Amino acid sequence: DTAVSQTPKYLVTQMGNDKSIKCEQNLGHDTMYWYKQDSKKFLKIMFSYNNKELIINETVPNRFSPKSPDKAHLNLHINSLELGDSAVYFCATSTTSAGAREQYFGPGTRLTVT
Amino acid sequence: AQSVTQPDIHITVSEGASLELRCNYSYGATPYLFWYVQSPGQGLQLLLKYFSGDTLVQGIKGFEAEFKRSQSSFNLRKPSVHWSDAAEYFCAVGTDSSYKLIFGSGTRLLVRP
Repeated sequence: DTAVSQTPKYLVTQMGNDKSIKCEQNLGHDTMYWYKQDSKKFLKIMFSYNNKELIINETVPNRFSPKSPDKAHLNLHINSLELGDSAVYFCATSTTSAGAREQYFGPGTRLTVT
Repeated sequence: AQSVTQPDIHITVSEGASLELRCNYSYGATPYLFWYVQSPGQGLQLLLKYFSGDTLVQGIKGFEAEFKRSQSSFNLRKPSVHWSDAAEYFCAVGTDSSYKLIFGSGTRLLVRP
């Protein structure tokens, strides 16, 4: 039973298209994140939701819009895809219990824009 | 602002040899420190974490790390490397004031047979 799952695992699309990536967790955590990992493996946080409320919104083009329909789901919608959006996108979760900061990652979605 | 430096981009060790991966952080207070491992095509798996207390922490897969405040370091060690340890390793730092983790640029570990 996968703790953090993402769909799809691979996504190949053309420039200008709109696409969504979905994330679901069954850990009961209250905080979820989206990260982007570029071709050099550098990981950068994009967004975070705590109990469905946006708490981290890094400098990300407004073509990227996260949506959290409930505490177990965090989706990422990307409009007007560009070549530079090609990357691996990771969803992660954590709990805000005192002293807890570790995050648990999904398997990633490899997005290729052609 | 906090930052993390992993000075080694690649490290190659022979199977059975010992391993040490370096991590230095920048943060004014006591940080939360983590090591993650990423196998090819996989997500990140938490190896170990340090929040407080004993500065030598044990993790999964036989890894350990030591927090040295005076050196602002949190180096990862393993006494005997297995071929399956070949992967990318990331050090990360978190703080009390934010749930954001800042990741280092990663160290790729190659294991010689």
